[in-house]
Amino acid sequence: QVQLQESGPGLVKPSQTLSLTCTVSGGSISSGSYYWSWIRQPAGKGLEWIGRIYSSGTTNYNASLKSRVTISVDTSKNQLSLKLSSVTAADTAVYYCAREFVDWLYPLDPWGQGTLVTVSS
Amino acid sequence: DIQMTQSPSSLSASVGDRVTITCRASQSISSYLNWYQQKPGKAPKLLIYAASNLQSGVPSRFSGSGSGTDFTLTISSLQPEDFATYYCQQSYTTPYSFGQGTKLEIK
Repeated sequence: QVQLQESGPGLVKPSQTLSLTCTVSGGSISSGSYYWSWIRQPAGKGLEWIGRIYSSGTTNYNASLKSRVTISVDTSKNQLSLKLSSVTAADTAVYYCAREFVDWLYPLDPWGQGTLVTVSS
Repeated sequence: DIQMTQSPSSLSASVGDRVTITCRASQSISSYLNWYQQKPGKAPKLLIYAASNLQSGVPSRFSGSGSGTDFTLTISSLQPEDFATYYCQQSYTTPYSFGQGTKLEIK
């Protein structure tokens, strides 16, 4: 049973870089059948897809964030990471990582429990 | 980018009711449509993938249908644990996009 767990600072100052890690357990992040995505959700609002990475390192980003986002993978640690630069209060949200199964037309499953990041001085 | 529009945004229903939520894509997405359930303080949970496939462990009262631009999620007989927010999501092309959500409340 694959499980994902996000971790990182819960408070980031404006203009700084948000850095989060997602640790995958119960399965290999190197499996060729999966992409690994980041999604966020501001309090009381809907879901926004941030971007994804394949085990080869190939990435796709949401153009609305593209200039500020970097997603990477560390296969030795079975982790993926998210960096979002020049943050503002609008980046305050719960951040989730999730797995996409290629063979099932890319649904997001499972999801991590999410981690709240607040941008404030 | 593909826009996903759900209706209704909120819905009041009673235990035992049959409920249908619709999702419309701004362009054809074939069957690349997924449905999620989210309860307060929890991560979304996959219910239906590829428009009509029930995820393992999800009760059979949930079903999905549609293709192209129009999709539906149906709950055949509402149970108390089904009161939650439901999202559709297109996985046809990046950037992936979600509907705005449908909040299902107890009448």
